[in-house]
Amino acid sequence: DQQVKQNSPSLSVQEGRISILNCDYTNSMFDYFLWYKKYPAEGPTFLISISSIKDKNEDGRFTVFLNKSAKHLSLHIVPSQPGDSAVYFCAASDEGGNYQLIWGAGTKLIIKP
Amino acid sequence: SAVISQKPSRDICQRGTSLTIQCQVDSQVTMMFWYRQQPGQSLTLIATANQGSEATYESGFVIDKFPISRPNLTFSTLTVSNMSPEDSSIYLCSVGDRVYGYTFGSGTRLTVV
Repeated sequence: DQQVKQNSPSLSVQEGRISILNCDYTNSMFDYFLWYKKYPAEGPTFLISISSIKDKNEDGRFTVFLNKSAKHLSLHIVPSQPGDSAVYFCAASDEGGNYQLIWGAGTKLIIKP
Repeated sequence: SAVISQKPSRDICQRGTSLTIQCQVDSQVTMMFWYRQQPGQSLTLIATANQGSEATYESGFVIDKFPISRPNLTFSTLTVSNMSPEDSSIYLCSVGDRVYGYTFGSGTRLTVV
């Protein structure tokens, strides 16, 4: 049973436009959500996180939105740049989860010139 | 954030043999985490390693198959024992916490033939 789902395996976006990556979760106990970016042959790199007490967190070109009632979060990248081409993972944890992160399967973002 | 040196970066191994993966952190950390990412799958936590105590394994993973050492606060190893082709994956070590995010090693791409 996948508790964190990224239903789009890949997404192609024109350079300069907005990229929107989506993530759904099923466990209502999750209270912290993180986005990671992964290039080939490298480990995931932390991008941005959001606590369940917020519905939006912004850091430069990256904004994460959380809709708790829908159990949905999204990562917006504006404007998209060629260096953003990577696999993006959504991860979630709950306070009682002993630090364990539950990961989505990832979405491969391709930025077209 | 911490910097992790993980090696080897990749290896091709014969079935029935064992491979030990090493992670060195540039600062002292309480917990280190070992993950596996099978082809096309999300990251799955194998175990959490504390210095001076037995590692805590997640469901589906056992010490005989994935023995872990944690001799000090900056170093850990994961051994993949008696390998089969099903063990072909990327293995990653990680440190951090859910508030400030996690840092990952660059990963070890293992192919078992």
